[in-house]
Amino acid sequence: QLQLQESGPGLVKPSETLSLTCTVSGDSISSSSYYWGWIRQPPGKGLEWIGTIYYSGSTYYNPSLQSRVTISVDTSKNQFSLKLSAVTAADTAVYYCARRPSRGRYFQHWGQGTLVTVSS
Amino acid sequence: DIQMTQSPSSLSASVGDRVTITCRASQSVSNYLNWYQQKPGKAPKLLISASSSLQSGVPSRFSGSGSGTDFTLTISSLQPEDFATYYCQQSYSTPLTFGGGTKVEIK
Repeated sequence: QLQLQESGPGLVKPSETLSLTCTVSGDSISSSSYYWGWIRQPPGKGLEWIGTIYYSGSTYYNPSLQSRVTISVDTSKNQFSLKLSAVTAADTAVYYCARRPSRGRYFQHWGQGTLVTVSS
Repeated sequence: DIQMTQSPSSLSASVGDRVTITCRASQSVSNYLNWYQQKPGKAPKLLISASSSLQSGVPSRFSGSGSGTDFTLTISSLQPEDFATYYCQQSYSTPLTFGGGTKVEIK
């Protein structure tokens, strides 16, 4: 059974870098059938796509965040990661990792999400 | 970016009611439109992809329709477990974008 689990600090200071990891179990992140993505949701607000990665390392980012975002994959650990630099309070959100099929840009499986608060 | 607008932003309904939620895209997305259900404190759950394709395990009371710029999600007979927030998402082009959500509350 596929499971995705986000992990990382719940509190980040302004101007620092937010770092999260998504650990995948029940499937190989190296499968050619899927892409892996990050989506966030500020408290009480809607969903925002951050970016997506393929096991080969190909990445696709939201232009609104592209200058600050890096998504990477570690196939040996069956994990992929998110780094968001120069964070502000506006980056406070629940961050979800998720899986989408190669032939469809929709997210079928999601992690439970992790709240990251940006505050000094 | 393609803007997705949902209406209404919230609605109150009773168990057994037929509920319709609308999603409008700022430009044509063909049938690349997906629907999610989100309950408080939980991750979104994919209900429908490609405008009308029901995901495995999703009750048949949920249905989707539309193409181009106008789409609807219909719940034919609202059940207690359907009270949640629903989001549409276009997958026609990046950046992938979501609607603002429709909260379905108990009347």
